[in-house]
Amino acid sequence: EVQLVESGGGLVQPEGSLRLSCAASGFLFSSNWMSWARQAPGKGLEWVAIINQDGSQKYYVDSVKGRFTISRDNAKNSLYLQINSLRGDDTALYYCARNVGAGTVDQWGQGTLVIVSA
Amino acid sequence: DVVMTQSPLSLPVTLGQPASISCRSSQSLVNSDGNTYLNWFQQRPGQSPRRLIYQVSYRDSGVPDRFSGSGSGTDFTLKISRVEAEDVGVYYCMQGVHWPWTFGQGTRVEFK
Repeated sequence: EVQLVESGGGLVQPEGSLRLSCAASGFLFSSNWMSWARQAPGKGLEWVAIINQDGSQKYYVDSVKGRFTISRDNAKNSLYLQINSLRGDDTALYYCARNVGAGTVDQWGQGTLVIVSA
Repeated sequence: DVVMTQSPLSLPVTLGQPASISCRSSQSLVNSDGNTYLNWFQQRPGQSPRRLIYQVSYRDSGVPDRFSGSGSGTDFTLKISRVEAEDVGVYYCMQGVHWPWTFGQGTRVEFK
């Protein structure tokens, strides 16, 4: 069974930093692109970043470029999101997701909540 | 960015009756490989999103056949042939052709 388990969220002050993690199991992690998406409280979904199998290709939504860094460790079956210079509008539930084929994801984790507040 | 516009944003439904959600994109979703990467996700209250449909009309394993997707180019539709109680939630269309991938605003399906 495919499982994605996020962790690392919490309450952080503006301009602070966090490192989110996603532990993957039940599939060959190194074979899949992986993604981070987020959902602000009561709002819709937004893609944040995407990374290819070996970490050599990374893409970000404009609103997080220069502040967020996606990475992975295939030996540990783990996906990461380093988030810096946090702002209030970064408050959201952050999901990791497994990419399959092109243009889609088929599995989501349960999310980890990031709250940016003084 | 490609704008995905869903309608309606709120859909009151009756148990056993059909329901339909429209999704329009600001650009064609036909990829250079000839495929159209339009997905539908369901998000039940308090849960993570769940993919229902990919590439316009392919239903995921375990998704009831009362769900169907159709469309082409920039106009797409998700239909529920007979709404059941477990179908309550928010439905999102999502394009996976142009980065950043983008979602529609979501359509909230709830009982009248």
